[in-house]
Amino acid sequence: GNSVTQMEGPVTLSEEAFLTINCTYTATGYPSLFWYVQYPGEGLQLLLKATKADDKGSNKGFEATYRKETTSFHLEKGSVQVSDSAVYFCALSHVQGGKLIFGQGTELSVKP
Amino acid sequence: NAGVTQTPKFQVLKTGQSMTLQCAQDMNHNSMYWYRQDPGMGLRLIYYSASEGTTDKGEVPNGYNVSRLNKREFSLRLESAAPSQTSVYFCASRKQGTDYGYTFGSGTRLTVV
Repeated sequence: GNSVTQMEGPVTLSEEAFLTINCTYTATGYPSLFWYVQYPGEGLQLLLKATKADDKGSNKGFEATYRKETTSFHLEKGSVQVSDSAVYFCALSHVQGGKLIFGQGTELSVKP
Repeated sequence: NAGVTQTPKFQVLKTGQSMTLQCAQDMNHNSMYWYRQDPGMGLRLIYYSASEGTTDKGEVPNGYNVSRLNKREFSLRLESAAPSQTSVYFCASRKQGTDYGYTFGSGTRLTVV
């Protein structure tokens, strides 16, 4: 079946450090891939997405590239800010099936 | 510009009590979903409704029922609450046939004592 695996958290970084959160997936066919972010006390917001192999999703300085050969969609940011502290979820879905399957989430804490 | 609205935001129930979580969306989306979020487990799908008039079980449906009242509203009912149902519940919607991703509500934090 379809599944998503994320790196374990929590991740603690200093402001302006480089961020990588690993995400790998198992899926049939060609799913769409997403990163969602959840700020404290809030719901999930779509951060970025990619719909086919080699696509790069980007938003607010975050990037992730859809790598079909390694079934990965790692999230990166060159210089994190305190305001990036949140829980990040990697997810996949198929346009036809529609169900969104989540990884377990990675908590990021950025210290000044 | 409401998006997905969930009520209530917080609820405490005693074991065995029943309640209904309400969800409404104003984006004319076809599909709606109920997830629960538990620490270290991400979000797990409880039930979903691909279109008005249809509902299907997700990964963890036991102890829950749903109603797709119309295109806008999708409610989740706990008939006899148990402590294992203590969780944060999220409703989401999506326009069928797109890859736009989901729009989520702000969640209902439920505690069963």
